[in-house]
Amino acid sequence: DAKTTQPPSMDCAEGRAANLPCNHSTISGNEYVYWYRQIHSQGPQYIIHGLKNNETNEMASLIITEDRKSSTLILPHATLRDTAVYYCIVRGAQKLVFGQGTRLTINP
Amino acid sequence: GAVVSQHPSWVICKSGTSVKIECRSLDFQATTMFWYRQFPKQSLMLMATSNEGSKATYEQGVEKDKFLINHASLTLSTLTVTSAHPEDSSFYICSARWQNANTEAFFGQGTRLTVV
Repeated sequence: DAKTTQPPSMDCAEGRAANLPCNHSTISGNEYVYWYRQIHSQGPQYIIHGLKNNETNEMASLIITEDRKSSTLILPHATLRDTAVYYCIVRGAQKLVFGQGTRLTINP
Repeated sequence: GAVVSQHPSWVICKSGTSVKIECRSLDFQATTMFWYRQFPKQSLMLMATSNEGSKATYEQGVEKDKFLINHASLTLSTLTVTSAHPEDSSFYICSARWQNANTEAFFGQGTRLTVV
């Protein structure tokens, strides 16, 4: 499975859009991009996934570049409850392998 | 999203004893389940992948005789930590996915194991 690179930490003001980047330059054609988040001492929560088209659901939007080498998760109106570690994962085969993620802190 | 339940949420056991953790998919049939462990301030580390009715596939460095995984039905997988030692104290998390390989996996709430 392709590796991903994320910034270790980010801050965002409450009510603003949080944009979390992820690089996955070695992604292959059949690998999906998944985003999960983990709030302290809980299991990861699924957010969104996509292959090459941009995706949107009730939680977030996923923007994947045309060459698929990077993506951005957008939380449109961040709240304090969005403070968590966000993981970007590229998966083709069965496994979901987690990197170090981005610790997002939403500030009041 | 789909619901995956782990039990117990936390457990304290004595060194040398065995502990069983259950992972259930409550509203879907999980053909594949994954077990992870997580140490404080670290990311999740995949331990093994199990498919219903077959033997689990362990990641490199994970002792299969110490961490016994059983996936006997489409809704239940168990992880047994045998002869537990304090260094096995960790947060254990399961994940389950149904048949289509490109569907999302859902995670349990985790089990905090403390070995004293």
